[in-house]
Amino acid sequence: NAGVTQTPKFRILKIGQSMTLQCTQDMNHNYMYWYRQDPGMGLKLIYYSVGAGITDKGEVPNGYNVSRSTTEDFPLRLELAAPSQTSVYFCASSPRWERTEAFFGQGTRLTVV
Amino acid sequence: AQKVTQAQTEISVVEKEDVTLDCVYETRDTTYYLFWYKQPPSGELVFLIRRNSFDEQNEISGRYSWNFQKSTSSFNFTITASQVVDSAVYFCALILTGANNLFFGTGTRLTVIP
Repeated sequence: NAGVTQTPKFRILKIGQSMTLQCTQDMNHNYMYWYRQDPGMGLKLIYYSVGAGITDKGEVPNGYNVSRSTTEDFPLRLELAAPSQTSVYFCASSPRWERTEAFFGQGTRLTVV
Repeated sequence: AQKVTQAQTEISVVEKEDVTLDCVYETRDTTYYLFWYKQPPSGELVFLIRRNSFDEQNEISGRYSWNFQKSTSSFNFTITASQVVDSAVYFCALILTGANNLFFGTGTRLTVIP
């Protein structure tokens, strides 16, 4: 059982480039989330999805886009990368936040130079 | 607004010592859930415990114990007889019932010295 899988694990982008962070879960969870973790900080919610075709903004959505065409996949798109987007990105999934813990991926360390 | 404060940025203890990690939260809602997560050096987030606002019973799981006190809005985490493998960053988090955003504290980095 793979759980939540994120790719890539590491990436260096140049300013202005675009990329997609991939996230896949095999637990048939309805809820999926993207967080970013800056050094010395807690995680902040970028976007979330409560099911296929439904997404919504979190605390820090600017500069990002998401889509949820299937239950399994929840890619995060960075358009026109900026140094402020240098961070570690975590994808998570859960059947429902309240009644269970969230399962997190291993994270993607992104550096924008 | 919701907020989670972990005032201890870094703690170092010698192996076998007990250590308590503090977590203070703020919310005006009466129904919510509190969590603790562990982030070892490898970077992944590992779920440790979830507690709902109606359950103030303390919980013990092996060397880990949690003290939830609504009167002081605290959800502290104690590791008894610490081990080197406990070295990690520990995050406390809060979510309101019906909400979708898990609010994280800034984390406490625990270093257990052999």
